[in-house]
Amino acid sequence: DAGVTQSPTHLIKTRGQQVTLRCSPKSGHDTVSWYQQALGQGPQFIFQYYEEEERQRGNFPDRFSGHQFPNYSSELNVNALLLGDSALYLCASSYYSGTGNQPQHFGDGTRLSIL
Amino acid sequence: AQKVTQAQTEISVVEKEDVTLDCVYETRDTTYYLFWYKQPPSGELVFLIRRNSFDEQNEISGRYSWNFQKSTSSFNFTITASQVVDSAVYFCALSEIQGAQKLVFGQGTRLTINP
Repeated sequence: DAGVTQSPTHLIKTRGQQVTLRCSPKSGHDTVSWYQQALGQGPQFIFQYYEEEERQRGNFPDRFSGHQFPNYSSELNVNALLLGDSALYLCASSYYSGTGNQPQHFGDGTRLSIL
Repeated sequence: AQKVTQAQTEISVVEKEDVTLDCVYETRDTTYYLFWYKQPPSGELVFLIRRNSFDEQNEISGRYSWNFQKSTSSFNFTITASQVVDSAVYFCALSEIQGAQKLVFGQGTRLTINP
């Protein structure tokens, strides 16, 4: 039973470029959340996708956008990259059981470095 | 607004010692979830426990135990007879029970178990 998988593992970009990160949820999960974790900090919620729509968004600028596909996989896009966007980007998946979401399970993350 | 505070930035103990990681939270919600996650050097956040706010029973799972005290807004985590493999960064988190249930994380506690 595959867990949450993210690609790529590492990525190096320069300021102003655009990047797309990908996430496949754990089998049976229908909800995907994205988090940004700066070095030495706790993860910060970016947004969550459910039924191919953005369900809730954290305090991140519009440069951060996402998408969820019919197979529940998801992409995170970041435009006009800034040095401060350097971080570990974590994808988490869960499923809605009718009484609420089950605990989120995380992938290994994509480490994004901006030069 | 929700907030989680982990006052201990780093803890270092010798193997077989017991160690307690502190977590204090703030929320205006009357019902909520509390979590602990473990982050080994690989980066993946490993789910350890989810506790509902109206269930104040302490929980034990092998060498791990959790003490939830709603009166002091604390959800502390104790590892008994620590092992080198317990070395990791541990995060306490809080979420609403309804809706997206985005996780609000503390800053994390880096735990080092020395042989």
